[in-house]
Amino acid sequence: TQLLEQSPQFLSIQEGENLTVYCNSSSVFSSLQWYRQEPGEGPVLLVTVVTGGEVKKLKRLTFQFGDARKDSSLHITAAQPGDTGLYLCAGARPGGSYIPTFGRGTSLIVHP
Amino acid sequence: DAGVIQSPRHEVTEMGQEVTLRCKPISGHNSLFWYRQTMMRGLELLIYFNNNVPIDDSGMPEDRFSAKMPNASFSTLKIQPSEPRDSAVYFCASSGQATNEKLFFGSGTQLSVL
Repeated sequence: TQLLEQSPQFLSIQEGENLTVYCNSSSVFSSLQWYRQEPGEGPVLLVTVVTGGEVKKLKRLTFQFGDARKDSSLHITAAQPGDTGLYLCAGARPGGSYIPTFGRGTSLIVHP
Repeated sequence: DAGVIQSPRHEVTEMGQEVTLRCKPISGHNSLFWYRQTMMRGLELLIYFNNNVPIDDSGMPEDRFSAKMPNASFSTLKIQPSEPRDSAVYFCASSGQATNEKLFFGSGTQLSVL
């Protein structure tokens, strides 16, 4: 059983479209991170959200942390081919050392 | 800053052989993680070191897997004997107190066990 469930698993869209991917859990997290991974490389951190209800924007990407700190979403406006990649969410349980658990990811392909 | 360095990038070996994966974390980082990534299971934590000491190895699949961190600048993950089901991409990541929960990943080692 995955601690963090990501949906959809795969997404194939045309350049210029908008999309939202989701990261859900029954557990509470002290923080949640979104990473992007390109083929042949390791994941790279995009953002960390900490406060329930928090919204962060990174250019065309909008990240939201759920009020109960159990879920998060990533919205991309006017997707570009450069957004293609595997989007992973990772959460750390409250207290103790920072040991993140990752979801399986959403594989996004943006066609020109 | 060179980032996290892993070697080799690719490893092809036969079942039963010993495999050693290497990692050099970012200088000054005090936490090191080994992850394994497969299509079926995603990115799974194998072991976590803090200040060179293994803190959580509950993700290590079985006794065939072992990891060491003899000093702050080097870690190894060893599989002996290797099996085809060990085929995966193995990532090393490091973080430091100053990076505020941000993991820096290496480029991974693609392991194929035939």
